[in-house]
Amino acid sequence: AQSVAQPEDQVNVAEGNPLTVKCTYSVSGNPYLFWYVQYPNRGLQFLLKYITGDNLVKGSYGFEAEFNKSQTSFHLKKPSALVSDSALYFCAVRDAASGGYNKLIFGAGTRLAVHP
Amino acid sequence: DTAVSQTPKYLVTQMGNDKSIKCEQNLGHDTMYWYKQDSKKFLKIMFSYNNKELIINETVPNRFSPKSPDKAHLNLHINSLELGDSAVYFCASSQGPGAGLGTQYFGPGTRLTVL
Repeated sequence: AQSVAQPEDQVNVAEGNPLTVKCTYSVSGNPYLFWYVQYPNRGLQFLLKYITGDNLVKGSYGFEAEFNKSQTSFHLKKPSALVSDSALYFCAVRDAASGGYNKLIFGAGTRLAVHP
Repeated sequence: DTAVSQTPKYLVTQMGNDKSIKCEQNLGHDTMYWYKQDSKKFLKIMFSYNNKELIINETVPNRFSPKSPDKAHLNLHINSLELGDSAVYFCASSQGPGAGLGTQYFGPGTRLTVL
């Protein structure tokens, strides 16, 4: 079965420090991976996606993610965290069994808290 | 210029009632989705429509019935509401399968509370 794991419920980081939010996946075939962010009482906002090509994907708001096939990981990173980055972050993988359709399987989410 | 909009934003109702949530997108997308986010923030797909045709139907009670009058709208009707239906429901849209792996864009959510 295909799945996504976000091993940390919460990540705490000081403003200005680098941040990493971890994600590992299990899929059959090539993985299509996504990161979304959810601010309080808001919908999900797309950050970035990996389909193929360069393992380092750059996205919105200065975020990037590194695809590592051997470790089946797709960790989200940012060189310098801002307090405004505090939110809930979701990793997702496309369900390969959904054919050409875009069924996403989401991780449980990781709450990022950036402290001044 | 809202991309994906949902109404209402909040919905409070009694057990046993029937209610509907509406979703509209102005992105010109062919595919629309309904997701349920429970109290632990876990997000799961419920349905998806492509050009008004149902393409994804997860294990959802048949009290939930999606309807797509056109490809810009996907409504969710829920019959005989139960306490466990309390959640935030998100609508999303993306380009259709012929356009490659389209990114899904989410609406602001509808918080449903069943008393």
